[in-house]
Amino acid sequence: AQSVAQPEDQVNVAEGNPLTVKCTYSVSGNPYLFWYVQYPNRGLQFLLKYITGDNLVKGSYGFEAEFNKSQTSFHLKKPSALVSDSALYFCAVRPVSGGYNKLIFGAGTRLAVHP
Amino acid sequence: DAGVTQSPTHLIKTRGQQVTLRCSPKSGHDTVSWYQQALGQGPQFIFQYYEEEERQRGNFPDRFSGHQFPNYSSELNVNALLLGDSALYLCASSSQGDIQYFGAGTRLSVL
Repeated sequence: AQSVAQPEDQVNVAEGNPLTVKCTYSVSGNPYLFWYVQYPNRGLQFLLKYITGDNLVKGSYGFEAEFNKSQTSFHLKKPSALVSDSALYFCAVRPVSGGYNKLIFGAGTRLAVHP
Repeated sequence: DAGVTQSPTHLIKTRGQQVTLRCSPKSGHDTVSWYQQALGQGPQFIFQYYEEEERQRGNFPDRFSGHQFPNYSSELNVNALLLGDSALYLCASSSQGDIQYFGAGTRLSVL
């Protein structure tokens, strides 16, 4: 079955420190990969995507993600966290075969950045 | 340029009732997808509409149905509401398989 795993329910980081939010996936072929962020009472906001090419993808608000095909992972990173980065982060995959652009989401990871 | 808009913002219904949620896609987008996000979970794909037809469906019962209009806006209908249908319903629009952009959602409470 196709699935996305975000192994950490919550990640706590001090402001100014680097952050990593982990994501692994189980999807056949070479899926497209995405990260979205959700603030309270808001919809999902697109952060970045990986389709092909360089394994390090840069996105909005200083976020980047590293794709690792052998480990089927797509971890979200930021060199220096801000308190305003505190939110719920979702990893998603889009199967390439027969999936049109249906997205399969992980359960989400809550990021808490402390001053 | 308006993004994806959904209405209403909140809705309270009782079991057995029917509900209709509405979505206007981002300008220039022709594809609308609907997702259900239960509390504490990631969004689950319900179905996708393109050219006024349902083109893909997730693992949801027939009580969930939809429609897309010629102006690309869309409705999600849920019949015979159950308590378990309480969730945030998200609409996403896209163009030719590109990035999906989400609305703020409709929070449905079934009592």
